[in-house]
Amino acid sequence: NAGVTQTPKFRVLKTGQSMTLLCAQDMNHEYMYWYRQDPGMGLRLIHYSVGEGTTAKGEVPDGYNVSRLKKQNFLLGLESAAPSQTSVYFCASRSAGVTDTQYFGPGTRLTVL
Amino acid sequence: ELKVEQNPLFLSMQEGKNYTIYCNYSTTSDRLYWYRQDPGKSLESLFVLLSNGAVKQEGRLMASLDTKARLSTLHITAAVHDLSATYFCAPKETSGSRLTFGEGTQLTVNP
Repeated sequence: NAGVTQTPKFRVLKTGQSMTLLCAQDMNHEYMYWYRQDPGMGLRLIHYSVGEGTTAKGEVPDGYNVSRLKKQNFLLGLESAAPSQTSVYFCASRSAGVTDTQYFGPGTRLTVL
Repeated sequence: ELKVEQNPLFLSMQEGKNYTIYCNYSTTSDRLYWYRQDPGKSLESLFVLLSNGAVKQEGRLMASLDTKARLSTLHITAAVHDLSATYFCAPKETSGSRLTFGEGTQLTVNP
């Protein structure tokens, strides 16, 4: 049982390049989330999904797009990377049950030069 | 919009001592999570608190929730070095599926 996995683990981009981060979960969770973590700012929600085919904006959505074509996968895209998007990105998933924990992936460290 | 305030943000304590981390939030929430993060690692779930007066304990950590005061506490008993980490609280808004994270409390336990 892999839980939540993220690909890639590290990436360096040049300003203006694009990339896609992949999050996969094998727990059949309905909810999936993308966060970014910057020093001194905790975790901020970028986008989230409450089910296959649905997406919604979080706290800091500008510059990012997402898709959830399959229940187990949640993709985060950067169309034109900027240095301000240098961060650690975490994906998380959770069941709709009342007591269920939100599980986090290992993170992707992205540097935009 | 749910706002979360943790304090202190930095805590340095000696082994064997007790201390409490506070988490205040601004609007109604129907559950609250506590997480631990070690440097360079992901977040590990510690507790999920579901109702007013809920108390959960695991080892030297005990978490409680007062929904009327919109306050959760994480109490550390007889701290040991292995508890050094950053701790986050994250209440979930009542209407919705999103968690809002506090800034985190960076705990250092010195021998």
